Amino acid sequence: AQTVTQSQPEMSVQEAETVTLSCTYDTSESDYYLFWYKQPPSRQMILVIRQEAYKQQNATENRFSVNFQKAAKSFSLKISDSQLGDAAMYFCAYREEETSGSRLTFGEGTQLTVNP
Amino acid sequence: GAGVSQSPRYKVTKRGQDVALRCDPISGHVSLYWYRQALGQGPEFLTYFNYEAQQDKSGLPNDRFSAERPEGSISTLTIQRTEQRDSAMYRCASSPIYRGYTQYFGPGTRLTVL
Repeated sequence: AQTVTQSQPEMSVQEAETVTLSCTYDTSESDYYLFWYKQPPSRQMILVIRQEAYKQQNATENRFSVNFQKAAKSFSLKISDSQLGDAAMYFCAYREEETSGSRLTFGEGTQLTVNP
Repeated sequence: GAGVSQSPRYKVTKRGQDVALRCDPISGHVSLYWYRQALGQGPEFLTYFNYEAQQDKSGLPNDRFSAERPEGSISTLTIQRTEQRDSAMYRCASSPIYRGYTQYFGPGTRLTVL
């Protein structure tokens, strides 16, 4: 079974600084997708960024970017110019297309605090 | 609105009662998923549908849990004879059916079993 591990239960960053959240996963598949979701205090689940495993180029969405290392099975999220609104729980998620159907497998989450 | 909607947003019930949780997916999305999220943890997969067909129900914890999507749109997750351990946030997500799609989540239903 696929597993997703987020080894940092909590992280903090100063406003306007940069922070990196770590995620590793375990799979024997070559074709899959990776996601970062944000869960603010409202407990909504908001997509931050996604990465296709077959793409070598790292995904970027404004201040959010990923460092995807396929061989190392690592998928970290970098938040640049952190803002108070970035404070949330961040979940890394994996999805495989074939044997597991379309389910998302989530990590345990990293609680990000942004200090003014 | 254009997003996934769920109702009720909050449900408090007594142990032993049955509950039905509703999900209305984004218009045009043919895949619908149910997840359960305990406090402080990531969501865990329960089941999913493509159109009205239930494709995978391996995540349902036991036979008290069932789900249906009879017309390929709205889905209902039913929990029979609720137990305190069923207390959690129940989340629904939907997506288009093409390869590589993203799942978009609804606001969730917070279930509390007393």
